[in-house]
Amino acid sequence: AQKVTQAQTEISVVEKEDVTLDCVYETRDTTYYLFWYKQPPSGELVFLIRRNSFDEQNEISGRYSWNFQKSTSSFNFTITASQVVDSAVYFCALDTGGGNKLTFGTGTQLKVEL
Amino acid sequence: IAGITQAPTSQILAAGRRMTLRCTQDMRHNAMYWYRQDLGLGLRLIHYSNTAGTTGKGEVPDGYSVSRANTDDFPLTLASAVPSQTSVYFCASSDGGLDTGELFFGEGSRLTVL
Repeated sequence: AQKVTQAQTEISVVEKEDVTLDCVYETRDTTYYLFWYKQPPSGELVFLIRRNSFDEQNEISGRYSWNFQKSTSSFNFTITASQVVDSAVYFCALDTGGGNKLTFGTGTQLKVEL
Repeated sequence: IAGITQAPTSQILAAGRRMTLRCTQDMRHNAMYWYRQDLGLGLRLIHYSNTAGTTGKGEVPDGYSVSRANTDDFPLTLASAVPSQTSVYFCASSDGGLDTGELFFGEGSRLTVL
């Protein structure tokens, strides 16, 4: 069975602070995919990144960066110089069988205040 | 570009009533999915379809049924709604296959069962 744990239920930061959202996953499969999705207050789910288990390179996209460490089964997400528009619920998810049948974490509510 | 259209956006339903949530995509994606989102539980997969004519059960299929008569449509039916089915329902689609890439979500349907 697979599981995704996002231990941080809610994080509050002041604008321009850096913030890291933690994601720990469990799976016995050697091939799997990890995802991050953003859910702003409007409710839609926005895809941020997909990473396969064979690619441990960290990735940076603008103010966003992801740190994938198989040794600790973690796929953490960092926002640099946070902005109010980053306020959202962020979900980490795992796909072990392929086909996008995702197992989601419970989400982290990020609040960025002025 | 419509992407995925869900209807209704919101519905209040008496327990015991039958309800169908509609989902239509215009991206010609092979695979479609239904997730429910509940506070503190994240998103959980209800049913999926890898291609037209096939369906499969997800993590929480009980009380729900789906059909996939064609590529574009993937309705979710609650035969006899119960209060525990109060949730936000998201339809999603992807290209399908093992290396599926991004999962595209609809805007959600909020269902309240009284």
